[in-house]
Amino acid sequence: NAGVTQTPKFRVLKTGQSMTLLCAQDMNHEYMYWYRQDPGMGLRLIHYSVGEGTTAKGEVPDGYNVSRLKKQNFLLGLESAAPSQTSVYFCASRSHLDGYTFGSGTRLTVV
Amino acid sequence: GNSVTQMEGPVTLSEEAFLTINCTYTATGYPSLFWYVQYPGEGLQLLLKATKADDKGSNKGFEATYRKETTSFHLEKGSVQVSDSAVYFCALPHNFNKFYFGSGTKLNVKP
Repeated sequence: NAGVTQTPKFRVLKTGQSMTLLCAQDMNHEYMYWYRQDPGMGLRLIHYSVGEGTTAKGEVPDGYNVSRLKKQNFLLGLESAAPSQTSVYFCASRSHLDGYTFGSGTRLTVV
Repeated sequence: GNSVTQMEGPVTLSEEAFLTINCTYTATGYPSLFWYVQYPGEGLQLLLKATKADDKGSNKGFEATYRKETTSFHLEKGSVQVSDSAVYFCALPHNFNKFYFGSGTKLNVKP
């Protein structure tokens, strides 16, 4: 099925460890996004990309980096994980004319 | 700038009750408006949308009408089911790059 695929689905990290979350979409969408969802905070935009090779900061970019080397992939990196980064992370993509398609999420716990 | 305000939840209803979840917006121009639904443990899914004033979006028995006069896009369903229990998000584009999401309204439907 076409859509947005996120890997991994679950991960536990120790403080200071690094990891990369992968998002892949097969709909040829130009725009891709990384959000985090925390209880009582709704969705907050971390970084986004308007096309291959481009990235931009969202509302809460600190502690994260992203790359969009290929149009279909958008990677979110945590260089040195902190407990405050415990959250559920959602990737999304969209075309210029339509709404978002979301992945099923990555539940990250930093201990 | 563009923004949305949703009614706070949780909303608890009995099966077959009538549902209204309020959403009001502030926007420059007349952007498309969206409702997303998030079932437990899943990502957000597009529920319905309306692209211009007086349009009615509908899907799975849910409806919402784009009201320019009252800057509202309230979500309604005539008879809710237990399977409708989820979190509902109102959303609109900030610009062509990104969306604003409301804070979400949790719906609990009891048998």
